[in-house]
Amino acid sequence: GAGVSQSPRYKVAKRGQDVALRCDPISGHVSLFWYQQALGQGPEFLTYFQNEAQLDKSGLPSDRFFAERPEGSVSTLKIQRTQQEDSAVYLCASSLRPAWTDEQFFGPGTRLTVL
Amino acid sequence: KQEVTQIPAALSVPEGENLVLNCSFTDSAIYNLQWFRQDPGKGLTSLLLIQSSQREQTSGRLNASLDKSSGRSTLYIAASQPGDSATYLCAVYTGNQFYFGTGTSLTVIP
Repeated sequence: GAGVSQSPRYKVAKRGQDVALRCDPISGHVSLFWYQQALGQGPEFLTYFQNEAQLDKSGLPSDRFFAERPEGSVSTLKIQRTQQEDSAVYLCASSLRPAWTDEQFFGPGTRLTVL
Repeated sequence: KQEVTQIPAALSVPEGENLVLNCSFTDSAIYNLQWFRQDPGKGLTSLLLIQSSQREQTSGRLNASLDKSSGRSTLYIAASQPGDSATYLCAVYTGNQFYFGTGTSLTVIP
């Protein structure tokens, strides 16, 4: 596709449910990032993949959060036993080359609401 | 931990005015700095990327400067238009992750 796509665009979950958020990066992009953006705040880094390797997951807020990119393209962010504080927009971004050299292209985000 | 601050938090200007948005960061050991715009309910659009070895980048009516030693960057928008209304975010890359500011919400009044 022409840009980064994310699905679903909106997700409502009951507290305690598991959710899976999908990111389709731009074809051929090496780097993929996940961010969490709370209302009125800037995005906060969650995790970074270079191809299929998860090079940094220091931003994941708890062990309920898990991300994977098994074939180096599509990525999934999974949140287990969702809590109300997980409500946020989850943004995915990709870049052609490693993170330190290249601009990021963002998807539209998935807005997660946990009731 | 790197902290990124953007001032002002909100700005309202009449159409046609030139304006400057500010971004400051606490740790000067960065690889690059990127400016984005975010429209309501949408993702981020990259505007300009400045590598740590560069001083400025220009794209159309936008000019971004970087003073790494003082931990500051500015985004200059010339001849503002109503379509420029959005939230502008800066982000720095430190070698392991990106840190974003909280943004400046810009409104350009026709």
